[in-house]
Amino acid sequence: EDQVTQSPEALRLQEGESSSLNCSYTVSGLRGLFWYRQDPGKGPEFLFTLYSAGEEKEKERLKATLTKKESFLHITAPKPEDSATYLCALYVDSNYQLIWGAGTKLIIKP
Amino acid sequence: NAGVTQTPKFQVLKTGQSMTLQCAQDMNHEYMSWYRQDPGMGLRLIHYSVGAGITDQGEVPNGYNVSRSTTEDFPLRLLSAAPSQTSVYFCASSPLGMNNSPLHFGNGTRLTVT
Repeated sequence: EDQVTQSPEALRLQEGESSSLNCSYTVSGLRGLFWYRQDPGKGPEFLFTLYSAGEEKEKERLKATLTKKESFLHITAPKPEDSATYLCALYVDSNYQLIWGAGTKLIIKP
Repeated sequence: NAGVTQTPKFQVLKTGQSMTLQCAQDMNHEYMSWYRQDPGMGLRLIHYSVGAGITDQGEVPNGYNVSRSTTEDFPLRLLSAAPSQTSVYFCASSPLGMNNSPLHFGNGTRLTVT
C-alpha cells in the first residue's frame, strides 16, 4: 500500500535556527512529489515539485531535496513569517489522485 | 484574478440536513477536485472531475455528490449531513497533467454538523 509519513508533527525553532522537515514514502511508482505551505484558515499553497532522486529546488530560505525513499524540506535561517504547516503529496499513477502526508506544523519564535 | 473561490466560509448543519458547497475557478482549468481535511490526517480526496460532464470518485465519496456542468463550477452536495462529515472542505483545480501541474486551492469551508 502506498504511504506517506511526515515528521516531526510539530517543530518549534528560534528565528535563525536552521532545520529540516521530512517526508518519507513507500510507493510503487513515483511520478512527482509536491511540497505545499498552508497558513491557518487558508488553503495549501504550492511550493515545489520534485521528479527524480537527486533533484533539488530552492526558493528563498527553503530548499527541497529528493531521494528514493524520502524528501527533505530544509529551512535556512527561518523568520517568524515562515511559520506554517508544510504538506507533502505524492503523485504515483495516472488516476488523478495524490497521496498526502498529515503535515508538519512549523513555529518560528522571534 | 480570483483563482478558486469557495462559499460559504463557515456552515453549521443539523444531522440529516442537506446543503451544497460552492466552488468556482476562473483559470479555465480542466481538473477540479474536493478534499476534506481533518486533524492529524492528510487531505483526503472526495470527488474529482477532469472536465465538464465528467466526474469520478476519490478515496472518501460516501455521503457526497458532485456534478460538473461547466468548466468553472464544481459544487459538492451533502445529501444527509452526519456528525462524521464535520471537517474543513477544500476545492482545488489544475490544468490536466497532474505530475507537473500543481493544484490551486480555495480557502476552504469549515463545516460543523451537530
